[in-house]
Amino acid sequence: EPEVTQTPSHQVTQMGQEVILRCVPISNHLYFYWYRQILGQKVEFLVSFYNNEISEKSEIFDDQFSVERPDGSNFTLKIRSTKLEDSAMYFCASCPLANYNEQFFGPGTRLTVL
Amino acid sequence: GENVEQHPSTLSVQEGDSAVIKCTYSDSASNYFPWYKQELGKGPQLIIDIRSNVGEKKDQRIAVTLNKTAKHFSLHITETQPEDSAVYFCAARSGYALNFGKGTSLLVTP
Repeated sequence: EPEVTQTPSHQVTQMGQEVILRCVPISNHLYFYWYRQILGQKVEFLVSFYNNEISEKSEIFDDQFSVERPDGSNFTLKIRSTKLEDSAMYFCASCPLANYNEQFFGPGTRLTVL
Repeated sequence: GENVEQHPSTLSVQEGDSAVIKCTYSDSASNYFPWYKQELGKGPQLIIDIRSNVGEKKDQRIAVTLNKTAKHFSLHITETQPEDSAVYFCAARSGYALNFGKGTSLLVTP
């Protein structure tokens, strides 16, 4: 069964450093998302991406964040200058054109900012 | 924006019993309500969903009910098994975003 994959599974970085989190959505999906989950808290929406542009973003997704689909398979989340409070689990999700409600999630990348 | 509340935060049941998890939402424009199961070290997995034009949906041991007037929806798991133990999240969709509840940690004891 096709799955969303994410790399790395765990990323440790120093405050102020840039990080790029990578996702490979399910191959025929056209809507892409990033969510984050701070330890012990709810899953929070960051951004949605369709047709090579951001379709919606939350107030969390400020100028420090950016997303890109550099080729036909990868979908990346970049944090330009990480802060301690960016430490969280970051989930990528995708869904097909035929049913843009059903979001399929990847296993997540745990980001630790020291 | 949408605010989703979920209760209880933890739930312990004996194998074979039923489990019920309840959620409320605030945005009357929300029209899609999925439930996700998250096992340790994995991403959320969609287990059942319901759209706003439907009041109830069932899939084997899992059912979801929706009361649009009261803005609440519930997950019902019957004949629980130890492998049902996980964290369950409800969500409500407004726009492109899914707005999640805080999760319910379900423990099914043999």
